[in-house]
This record gives sequence, C-alpha cells and structure tokens, in this order.
Amino acid sequence: SQQGEEDPQALSIQEGENATMNCSYKTSINNLQWYRQNSGRGLVHLILIRSNEREKHSGRLRVTLDTSKKSSSLLITASRAADTASYFCATVLNAGNNRKLIWGLGTSLAVNP
Amino acid sequence: DAEITQSPRHKITETGRQVTLACHQTWNHNNMFWYRQDLGHGLRLIHYSYGVHDTNKGEVSDGYSVSRSNTEDLPLTLESAASSQTSVYFCASSESGGPNIQYFGAGTRLSVL
Repeated sequence: SQQGEEDPQALSIQEGENATMNCSYKTSINNLQWYRQNSGRGLVHLILIRSNEREKHSGRLRVTLDTSKKSSSLLITASRAADTASYFCATVLNAGNNRKLIWGLGTSLAVNP
Repeated sequence: DAEITQSPRHKITETGRQVTLACHQTWNHNNMFWYRQDLGHGLRLIHYSYGVHDTNKGEVSDGYSVSRSNTEDLPLTLESAASSQTSVYFCASSESGGPNIQYFGAGTRLSVL
C-alpha cells in the first residue's frame, strides 16, 4: 500500500527556476528518502532525512520534514535540463517491518531549456 | 564498483510461459527486493528477502515466486505469464541494519503477448 503521496503529479518549469515537490505520509516514520528516476532507468537515491531532523541540504537539493504535518518537501534550486526526471519519496516506518520502503507515486519534473 | 545487474533488459514472452528474471548484486547486501512499476501505480513490492533462504510476499505477489540460495542473487519467476504482468520490473538491495537506502538495477521491461 502506498504511504506517500507526492504533489504535484507533474511539474514543468524553465531552466534556472526552482522546483518544489511535496510528499505527505500517513504513519510515524524513522526516515524519509527522496529518489530520482530518469526515463528508462532505475531509481537513484538522492537524500535521506531522519525523523528528528527538520532540514537537510545536498548540493542544489534542500529537503524539509514536518513530522507534525506528516509532510516533506524537496526543493531543487537553479534547475537544469538534466534534472528532468521523476522524483519519488519513500518512508521507513518507525515500527513493525522497518526494512521496507513505502513509496509514493512520484512527481514528474520537466525542465525546459 | 559494487552494482546490481538485471537481465534481460527486455523480454517478450507468450501467455502461459514460465519466465525468470535475474537479479545479481555485488554490494553483499542481505536485503533484496523485487518491484513492478506501472503507470499510475508507482512502485509495488512483489517479493523481498532479508537473507539466504528467506523470502517474503509483498503486496502483489500472486503469480510470482522467488528463491534465495546465495547472498548475490534473487531471481523472480513468473509461473505462468499473464498479460496483466506486462510491466517494468526493478530489483533493489539494501544493507541490513542501516537506514534502508535501496540501490536499484536498471530494470527489465517485460511484455506478455
């Protein structure tokens, strides 16, 4: 069953603009991860944020986590055409079977040159 | 460099045939997962394994089976292929005891005619 829901489902921006996508989840988590999938390829891990963290940065990526709202956002700054991909959030639960990832449906990002 | 390899990359088969998709990882990870990805459904977990001789059913396991005889391999078998099993299949692995970051193969595109 899907825990995460990303929005928007699709996003189209111009090169150089910032892209923000959001993820909501339902139950208590240990950590939340963001992955990228280029067309025809496997998913690649981008960044992980733990439940006791509020913000994390990696290069042009900024992730925030609000556990009270059960939501996270991924910000890609100064986007490039190469950022065109689908982005997925995934959560690791805090209890029970915590070795699986619970996936959202993804946001499709198009960065136009 | 460690990697996870899926084969074949593309497969066309007929309804009713048995098909096996291979997944081989050199990360020495205990955890391995099989997903299918369909438009509108995101990633759905088929089967997973937490170690040699351990296998577990995921949310869409009907018609699929796996076996784990060593750490490196988790082949996925479609017992009697159905058109509803036309999909893109991804294998992933993760380290035990860690934050459950998953590493993905490039995927197998399966068409059942």
